Amino acid sequence: DAEITQSPRHKITETGRQVTLACHQTWNHNNMFWYRQDLGHGLRLIHYSYGVQDTNKGEVSDGYSVSRSNTEDLPLTLESAASSQTSVYFCASSDWVGGELFFGEGSRLTVL
Amino acid sequence: RKEVEQDPGPFNVPEGATVAFNCTYSNSASQSFFWYRQDCRKEPKLLMSVYSSGNEDGRFTAQLNRASQYISLLIRDSKLSDSATYLCVVNMGGNKLVFGAGTILRVKS
Repeated sequence: DAEITQSPRHKITETGRQVTLACHQTWNHNNMFWYRQDLGHGLRLIHYSYGVQDTNKGEVSDGYSVSRSNTEDLPLTLESAASSQTSVYFCASSDWVGGELFFGEGSRLTVL
Repeated sequence: RKEVEQDPGPFNVPEGATVAFNCTYSNSASQSFFWYRQDCRKEPKLLMSVYSSGNEDGRFTAQLNRASQYISLLIRDSKLSDSATYLCVVNMGGNKLVFGAGTILRVKS
């Protein structure tokens, strides 16, 4: 069965460290997204990609970057982790833009 | 004003009850709407899509009121397994999907 996986599922890091969260999907979807979820907020879009070599900033992109070198993967990098980036991060993919999102299980990041 | 607003709840209802929650949105040009279900500490999963006036799937009915700019989710004959957070998602145009913060439903025996 096709799926979308994230790793690590849990990570604790220190302020200032670089962190990369991996996202791998086997749906063969062109569209991939990174969201963060915080209490009291809906999921907020960090970055998204509509295909290989395509990346775009979302509403909360400061301090984050992504790269898309193949269809399957969209890693999210926190250049210099800050306590405000403590959150649950969800990767998602979709077959068509604006269509159903298929989410990974989430990565819980704590920045101390 | 938030682009998508939901009553956070929690809605505490007994098994078998009918419960409804609303989601209001700010962009009158929005064309498509979704309800996702999220269990505690899990990923969101699509419950229902709404592209016209409404949609029905078993015990779940979504209704769209374009004039008042809200979408509702009605759950009939609530089950314990319906306990979850329900996320309203609105396509604001340009394929910008905006999530509401979610409504918590707790179904009690």
